[in-house]
Amino acid sequence: GAVVSQHPSRVICKSGTSVKIECRSLDFQATTMFWYRQFPKQSLMLMATSNEGSKATYEQGVEKDKFLINHASLTLSTLTVTSAHPEDSSFYICSARRDPAYNEQFFGPGTRLTVL
Amino acid sequence: ELKVEQNPLFLSMQEGKNYTIYCNYSTTSDRLYWYRQDPGKSLESLFVLLSNGAVKQEGRLMASLDTKARLSTLHITAAVHDLSATYFCAVDSDSGTYKYIFGTGTRLKVLA
Repeated sequence: GAVVSQHPSRVICKSGTSVKIECRSLDFQATTMFWYRQFPKQSLMLMATSNEGSKATYEQGVEKDKFLINHASLTLSTLTVTSAHPEDSSFYICSARRDPAYNEQFFGPGTRLTVL
Repeated sequence: ELKVEQNPLFLSMQEGKNYTIYCNYSTTSDRLYWYRQDPGKSLESLFVLLSNGAVKQEGRLMASLDTKARLSTLHITAAVHDLSATYFCAVDSDSGTYKYIFGTGTRLKVLA
C-alpha cells in the first residue's frame, strides 16, 4: 500500500509553454500533498504544500503565479509550470501524507522537466 | 533557522567495511525518516523512527534515533556495491504543518 504515481515521468517542452504534472495517491486518500524540486547533486527543496479543497501554501521565494497547484480531490494534486523557461528545468517530486498519526510522506517517482 | 545536517557529505568505502552516517537536527521532532535515492530516481523509504531510542534494521543497514541529542545514525555493515546511492534523513518541522526538513544528503560509493 501507499503508492504515489506521477505523470508524466519525463517531459521536454519549448520555452514559454506550460507544463502540467499530476500526482496521484493510488491506494489511499491524501488531504495533504507536497511538491519538491531537486537540482542535480542537491537535496530536495520544498516548493509548496497542497491542501485538498483549499489554496496551496508556498514556500518563501516560490512564485505562486508561476507554479500553479490544484488539489481538487483527495487523490490528485497537479502542478502547472507556467511560461516555462530553461531555468525551470529540474526534477520535480511529489509526496502524499497518509497517516496523521505517523505523518509519513510517500513519494512519487518524480518528473524530469527539460525546457529548451 | 531549522537545520538538518548530515555527515559526511561524501563517502567512498571499500566493500566489506563498516561505516556510519550521522544526521543532526535542530527541530524538536521525535520522528525521523531515512531515504535512499538512486541516480535519476525518486526517494525510497528505508526507515521510519518514531521515538527516542528507536532502532531499526534491514539487511546491512541499521538506523537509530536519540531525540535528546537530536541525532540519528545510519550504520552500514559489511558494505556491498549495491548500497551505492545517496542517503537522506528528514525530520518533521516544528511548525505543525506536516512539512519535512531534509538533510543535505550523503553520497555513498562502495568500491568493489
